[in-house]
Amino acid sequence: EADIYQTPRYLVIGTGKKITLECSQTMGHDKMYWYQQDPGMELHLIHYSYGVNSTEKGDLSSESTVSRIRTEHFPLTLESARPSHTSQYLCASSDRTGVNSPLHFGNGTRLTVT
Amino acid sequence: RKEVEQDPGPFNVPEGATVAFNCTYSNSASQSFFWYRQDCRKEPKLLMSVYSSGNEDGRFTAQLNRASQYISLLIRDSKLSDSATYLCVVNGARGGFKTIFGAGTRLFVKA
Repeated sequence: EADIYQTPRYLVIGTGKKITLECSQTMGHDKMYWYQQDPGMELHLIHYSYGVNSTEKGDLSSESTVSRIRTEHFPLTLESARPSHTSQYLCASSDRTGVNSPLHFGNGTRLTVT
Repeated sequence: RKEVEQDPGPFNVPEGATVAFNCTYSNSASQSFFWYRQDCRKEPKLLMSVYSSGNEDGRFTAQLNRASQYISLLIRDSKLSDSATYLCVVNGARGGFKTIFGAGTRLFVKA
């Protein structure tokens, strides 16, 4: 069982607020990812990281930002939440052996912006 | 054209049926392949890796055809608990990183 944790599990917040979604993994994985997924829709990669101090934007344009100061921690921040940010955010990690490594997902944060 | 394409679904099958999902990928340099299962409002979970020699895990069999750039998943003796969305995942273009998820195929198994 993968050890990757996301908090909060559910978040309802008003427009304009700054929020940080937390993601931590205890497996020592170098690679971490953030995906966004609307109900019944595809996963979209919004950010990823190869390791400490490495962050890259994914395929889907996002107004969020990420940081990777520690291997185990990959928080995602929205400076000013909007209703269009309402979605599920999934964090994942994989180890450094590269392309043969599957992703392990956290249980997600379901964000609602009112 | 999407880099990973799956059967659109949904598939509605009775318990005990055999069901097959297909997936094609466009990048011939892709290096590893997986099937994930995602339950409604949950995170995707790894079901199985897919190897060129084919591999089986209980009622599930996965096949990879590199020449045709085609991946399949066969579920035998379907159970109600198999109802979920099945995601085809392709990793890695040579020299770089990329994990591509298919849009998923939804399966409903009915009593």
